[in-house]
Amino acid sequence: KNQVEQSPQSLIILEGKNCTLQCNYTVSPFSNLRWYKQDTGRGPVSLTIMTFSENTKSNGRYTATLDADTKQSSLHITASQLSDSASYICVVSPNQAGTALIFGKGTTLSVSS
Amino acid sequence: NAGVTQTPKFQVLKTGQSMTLQCAQDMNHNSMYWYRQDPGMGLRLIYYSASEGTTDKGEVPDGYNVSRLKKQNFLLGLESAAPSQTSVYFCASSSSIAGGTGNEQFFGPGTRLTVL
Repeated sequence: KNQVEQSPQSLIILEGKNCTLQCNYTVSPFSNLRWYKQDTGRGPVSLTIMTFSENTKSNGRYTATLDADTKQSSLHITASQLSDSASYICVVSPNQAGTALIFGKGTTLSVSS
Repeated sequence: NAGVTQTPKFQVLKTGQSMTLQCAQDMNHNSMYWYRQDPGMGLRLIYYSASEGTTDKGEVPDGYNVSRLKKQNFLLGLESAAPSQTSVYFCASSSSIAGGTGNEQFFGPGTRLTVL
């Protein structure tokens, strides 16, 4: 069964610190992997999209890595800000046209001052 | 550009009532989607529309119906609301239905529905 598992479920860090969120997936065949940020009460917003051949993709202070061999991805946030407090969702797209995206349950990040 | 908009933002229904959730996009996207998000679960696809005039079932279509009469609009209907349909509903759109990297899905702000 195609699944996307994220860890940790929640995380609290101090402003200015770095953190790394994990995503493991069992989706095969696999087209691309996406990370979304969802602020409380808002819809998800795309941070990065990587194909199976890409190892890393950055978007400002956000850097996503992908190891297609081990089926693992991580999202690293550098120098965290209060505005980074949100849910971060890992999403995998199967390599089949018209197949629905598979969403992880998300990691809730709280950045405190 | 407003992107993807949804109405209403909040709604409370009694069991058995019906309603329609509205979604509009101004990006000239061909494909549109309805998801529901429940606590402790990932987003789940209810229905999607690959192009104007076509619709297909997603993972959790029971109790819902949809219509895509215009390219920019995608409607989600609840014929007889049940408490199990209490959820946050998100509409999304993309340039095409394929899952390629250029096919980013853009999400609306959500509709929070409570069924009593």
